[in-house]
Amino acid sequence: EVQLVESGGGLVKPGESLRLSCAASGFTFSYYSMNWVRQAPGKGPEWVSSIDYSSSYIFYGDSVKGRFTISRDNAKNSLYLQMDSLRAEDTAVYYCATTSTGGLPDWFHSWGQGTLVTVSS
Amino acid sequence: EIVLTQSPGTLSLSPGERATLSCRASQSVSRYLAWYQQKPGQAPRLLIYDSSTRATGIPARFSGSGSGTDFTLTITGLEPEDFAVYYCQQRSNWPLTFGGGTKVEIK
Repeated sequence: EVQLVESGGGLVKPGESLRLSCAASGFTFSYYSMNWVRQAPGKGPEWVSSIDYSSSYIFYGDSVKGRFTISRDNAKNSLYLQMDSLRAEDTAVYYCATTSTGGLPDWFHSWGQGTLVTVSS
Repeated sequence: EIVLTQSPGTLSLSPGERATLSCRASQSVSRYLAWYQQKPGQAPRLLIYDSSTRATGIPARFSGSGSGTDFTLTITGLEPEDFAVYYCQQRSNWPLTFGGGTKVEIK
């Protein structure tokens, strides 16, 4: 069974940094592309970033480009999101989601339970 | 950026009734459209992808149709567990985008 467990969320001030992690199990992590999707309170989901199975292809949403960095460690079955220069509008639950292939783009087949990031002074 | 517009915003129905949800894209996405279900406090769950393919474990009462700019999610015979918010999403172009959602509530 696919399991994705996010961690690293919390309360930070505007301009600060945070690093999210997603621990994957139950599938061959190195075969599949991975994604971060966020959801602000009371809003719909917003795609944040995607990385293919080998880290050769990486994409970002316009609202985070230049501030967030996605990465993965296939040896550790882990996905990361380094978030710098955080803003109040980055406040959201952040989900990691896997796809059904190693390529991009692909659908978000399985999701973690999410980790809450709150940016407030 | 492709904008997805979902309608109606809220659908009030009784168990056993048929739900018809619409998603319209600002430009053609071919058949690269998916539907997700989200219940309070939970992550979204993939229901339908490539416009009409049910994801693993999704009951046959969920069906999707459409291509180009107009898509429909149909739930035939609402079960109590189907009352939730539904989102469409496209993967035709970067950035990947979601619709604003349709809430299916109990009448």
